[in-house]
Amino acid sequence: AQTVTQSQPEMSVQEAETVTLSCTYDTSESDYYLFWYKQPPSRQMILVIRQEAYKQQNATENRFSVNFQKAAKSFSLKISDSQLGDAAMYFCAYRRRGKGFQKLVFGTGTRLLVSP
Amino acid sequence: GAVVSQHPSRVICKSGTSVKIECRSLDFQATTMFWYRQFPKQSLMLMATSNEGSKATYEQGVEKDKFLINHASLTLSTLTVTSAHPEDSSFYICSARDSDLYEQYFGPGTRLTVT
Repeated sequence: AQTVTQSQPEMSVQEAETVTLSCTYDTSESDYYLFWYKQPPSRQMILVIRQEAYKQQNATENRFSVNFQKAAKSFSLKISDSQLGDAAMYFCAYRRRGKGFQKLVFGTGTRLLVSP
Repeated sequence: GAVVSQHPSRVICKSGTSVKIECRSLDFQATTMFWYRQFPKQSLMLMATSNEGSKATYEQGVEKDKFLINHASLTLSTLTVTSAHPEDSSFYICSARDSDLYEQYFGPGTRLTVT
């Protein structure tokens, strides 16, 4: 079974600084998706960024970028120029790619605190 | 963008009663919807996957007779918590798969409190 591990329960960053959230996963599959979701205090899950495993190029979305290391099964999220609105829980997630729509497997989450 | 709504956003019910939570895809058709449960400061736990017109598939350890899921149309799935008990108090989140785009979108969640 696939597992997703987030070893940092909480991280802190100052406004305008850069922070990296870690995620590792375990799978025997070669074709899959990886995601970072943000859950602010409102509890609404928001997709931050997605990476297809077959793509070597790291995904980027404005201030958010990932470092995808397929051999190491590592998928970290870098937030640049942190803003107060980035404060939230961040969940790393895995989804196998295959016939039909596969379910998401979530990590335990990392709480990001942003200070002025 | 794709929007998923849930109703109600908060509900309080007495122990032993049943409560229904609705999940709707507002601007897309969703052949597959997922129901999650989230305890405070924890991750999302998948409870079941529902496909339109067929029976839901429950995750191991989830009581299908207690958590009734109906996915009667391409835009609506419901979760009914039957004979609720205080330990059922939790945050319930649904998500819907866009049939065309193969993406998954989350609802805002429902906070259930059983007294």
